[in-house]
Amino acid sequence: DSGVTQTPKHLITATGQRVTLRCSPRSGDLSVYWYQQSLDQGLQFLIQYYNGEERAKGNILERFSAQQFPDLHSELNLSSLELGDSALYFCASSVDGAGGHTDTQYFGPGTRLTVL
Amino acid sequence: AQKVTQAQTEISVVEKEDVTLDCVYETRDTTYYLFWYKQPPSGELVFLIRRNSFDEQNEISGRYSWNFQKSTSSFNFTITASQVVDSAVYFCALSEAPNNAGNMLTFGGGTRLMVKP
Repeated sequence: DSGVTQTPKHLITATGQRVTLRCSPRSGDLSVYWYQQSLDQGLQFLIQYYNGEERAKGNILERFSAQQFPDLHSELNLSSLELGDSALYFCASSVDGAGGHTDTQYFGPGTRLTVL
Repeated sequence: AQKVTQAQTEISVVEKEDVTLDCVYETRDTTYYLFWYKQPPSGELVFLIRRNSFDEQNEISGRYSWNFQKSTSSFNFTITASQVVDSAVYFCALSEAPNNAGNMLTFGGGTRLMVKP
């Protein structure tokens, strides 16, 4: 158990809908990262938050957004869902991640999203 | 731009065989970090090792060992005396460490290891 929790574990929804994925980092970790794992794209970085502020952005679609709250948990919002958004979404956390060095990222169990 | 290549998409071995998973990376930075993660059939990503670019010493942890060679930009992973429980997808990942620009991981495509009894 990495100490990172993600809810829900599975999510099935229809095209055009909006969903919210939730992540709680390990105790003491300030950075939260979101990754998408799909069969065609592999594991891709979406976005990083550090202590409530966006730190880095990857291949995140405009239909997707995220935020990190004062208690450091994070939510990833996916809207106008398409079939191609079906994937495993991972959250990870690290102690720091402020730049200059890279701490180990510990991953949650993931949320499997199925868009029908 | 950073890139990680795991040329072996799938490897099949018989239990107790040794197996090496290859990882080749590309980066322009002199400071960077390399990682290996394991993804068992249950789906979670399990951290195995983190190594920075200034530490080329090889590491051994039980049946696992890692060979980091900057000259060939490789960070290979060897499992000695493989076991069925080692069956999983293994990912190599790279993170550059620019100041205040985040710490994203760039993953390779993964190598699926199947260990047969």
